[in-house]
Amino acid sequence: KAGVTQTPRYLIKTRGQQVTLSCSPISGHRSVSWYQQTPGQGLQFLFEYFSETQRNKGNFPGRFSGRQFSNSRSEMNVSTLELGDSALYLCASSLQGAGMEETQYFGPGTRLLVL
Amino acid sequence: SQQGEEDPQALSIQEGENATMNCSYKTSINNLQWYRQNSGRGLVHLILIRSNEREKHSGRLRVTLDTSKKSSSLLITASRAADTASYFCATDEGAQKLVFGQGTRLTINP
Repeated sequence: KAGVTQTPRYLIKTRGQQVTLSCSPISGHRSVSWYQQTPGQGLQFLFEYFSETQRNKGNFPGRFSGRQFSNSRSEMNVSTLELGDSALYLCASSLQGAGMEETQYFGPGTRLLVL
Repeated sequence: SQQGEEDPQALSIQEGENATMNCSYKTSINNLQWYRQNSGRGLVHLILIRSNEREKHSGRLRVTLDTSKKSSSLLITASRAADTASYFCATDEGAQKLVFGQGTRLTINP
């Protein structure tokens, strides 16, 4: 089985722009979660989607949004980028979700640099 | 918010030695997981231990869980250079998300 894929792998944007990141889960997985990783804050949960519905959301401003398609692929969008949004964005997939005592399979991440 | 606090933040040992990392958390959990991350890449799942389990083994890994102390430890025996990575514990909050600790950066010296 192919693993979780994320595109693009690297991205450079300037303040005020918006960005869309994509995540393709492992085939058959219906849950996709997004995390932000920074040196200062560590790994922070952004949101989780299951069958096209957002089930949980972390403490991030409304500039961060996401969606999931019928094929379970997910996108996250960050609007009006700020310098502090520079981070590694990781997505993880599983069959039912983190709360179901399942292994979360992570993608390689998208490294976003905001200038 | 960070649920887990890991100790130590960094650990450097010689190849062949054992490495022990500790994780403490704050709230009740259903399970605790350990992940490894190589140099800013994606996380790799190592082991999951349920709240009703006290110890679990997987190859050279041994994980313990003490729910009364809200703590867990990860032991890597006979360390290898390839074990050099950051190790994170993660707890579920029963709400479809994982809450990660700050991680322990492990360096194995040849």
